[in-house]
Amino acid sequence: AQSVTQPDIHITVSEGASLELRCNYSYGATPYLFWYVQSPGQGLQLLLKYFSGDTLVQGINGFEAEFKRSQSSFNLRKTSVHWSDAAEYFCAVGAGTAGNKLTFGGGTRVLVKP
Amino acid sequence: KAGVTQTPRYLIKTRGQQVTLSCSPISGHRSVSWYQQTPGQGLQFLFEYFSETQRNKGNFPGRFSGRQFSNSRSEMNVSTLELGDSALYLCASSFEGGGNQPQHFGDGTRLSIL
Repeated sequence: AQSVTQPDIHITVSEGASLELRCNYSYGATPYLFWYVQSPGQGLQLLLKYFSGDTLVQGINGFEAEFKRSQSSFNLRKTSVHWSDAAEYFCAVGAGTAGNKLTFGGGTRVLVKP
Repeated sequence: KAGVTQTPRYLIKTRGQQVTLSCSPISGHRSVSWYQQTPGQGLQFLFEYFSETQRNKGNFPGRFSGRQFSNSRSEMNVSTLELGDSALYLCASSFEGGGNQPQHFGDGTRLSIL
C-alpha cells in the first residue's frame, strides 16, 4: 500500500528566508507525486506535480521540488518566502493508472515571521 | 473557466440524520473524487467516480455513498450521522481518470454534527 510521510508538522521561517519541506513516500512503482497548499478555510491548490522525466520540477509561486528515487523523497523548496506563503502544505502520491486516488501526508504547517 | 463548486459550504446536522453534499466539477472533467479532512485523520480518500461509475473506494463504512450524474456532477450522501463525521469534505475533479492527472479541488463543505 502506498503511504506518504511529512516529518515536520510545523515549520517557522522568517520572511525572505529559504524554505524546505520534506516528503517521503512509499510506493511500489514509479510514483505520481504532487504538492498541494491549503490556506485556512479553503480547498487545496496544486503547486506542482511529478510524473516522469526531469527530477527537478518547477511549480507556481516560485516553488520547486526534487524527486529522488534513491531516497524515496520529493522535497519542496522555495528560495525566498513571502508572508503569503503561510499555509499548510500537503504532499501526495497518486495511485497510478488505476484511477484517481491520492494518498496524502499529514501536512506541514508553515508560519512566516516578519 | 469556473473551478470546482461545492454546495453547501457549511452544514450543521444532528446525530442520526442524513446529509447530501454536492459537487460540480470543472467543465469537461469526467472524474470526481471525494476526500474527508479531519484534524485527527488528515485527508482521506472516500471514493472516485468516472463516467457515472464508482471506480475506487476508500476504507469508509457503507453509510458513506455517492453517485455521479451524466453531466459529471456528483453527490455524496452520509446516512445515520455520527459525531465523528464532523469534517471538511473536499471534492476534486480531473479530466480523465489516470493517476497522473492533477486533481483540482473545491473549497469544501464543512459538516458539523451536534
